[in-house]
Amino acid sequence: DQQVKQNSPSLSVQEGRISILNCDYTNSMFDYFLWYKKYPAEGPTFLISISSIKDKNEDGRFTVFLNKSAKHLSLHIVPSQPGDSAVYFCAAFAGTYKYIFGTGTRLKVLA
Amino acid sequence: NAGVMQNPRHLVRRRGQEARLRCSPMKGHSHVYWYRQLPEEGLKFMVYLQKENIIDESGMPKERFSAEFPKEGPSILRIQQVVRGDSAAYFCASSPGQSPTGELFFGEGSRLTVL
Repeated sequence: DQQVKQNSPSLSVQEGRISILNCDYTNSMFDYFLWYKKYPAEGPTFLISISSIKDKNEDGRFTVFLNKSAKHLSLHIVPSQPGDSAVYFCAAFAGTYKYIFGTGTRLKVLA
Repeated sequence: NAGVMQNPRHLVRRRGQEARLRCSPMKGHSHVYWYRQLPEEGLKFMVYLQKENIIDESGMPKERFSAEFPKEGPSILRIQQVVRGDSAAYFCASSPGQSPTGELFFGEGSRLTVL
């Protein structure tokens, strides 16, 4: 069962424009959502998170939006930079600290 | 560097051999997770351990795979009698347990190739 889904395997965006990465989930018991960035041959690194009691969290160029009624979250990167090119994973957990990851979206920022 | 340390970074085994992957969590972290990433796929949860205890191993195959996190020393993921389908990147992550952001800290992974 895929409780966390990233339906877009890849995304290309021009440098300076906005990148929007999407994630859907099925488990309404999730109480924390996170985004991770992964470069090739490296481990995932934490980017930003959001509690289920909030609908927005912002950190510099990165903003995560949570729509609980739609069971949907998105990561906005603006302005996008070539160094943002990586695979982005969304993840969620529900109290037991069992983190469930999506399959990832490969972002390519074109110079 | 007090990050999550995994070794070996690369491991080649022949079918039927054993693979042992080690993970030293960040200093002060008592929670360890193992994830597997198959080629072109996402991160699949395998097991969650605290010191000397397996908390959740629902993602571990029932046979050939085992994990431990002893009181002293690193966490070890052990794969017995490896098969070609075990070829993957295995990532370890740690957390202090209660993180304000819920963050997991990942190691750089161990890439297992089974010939």
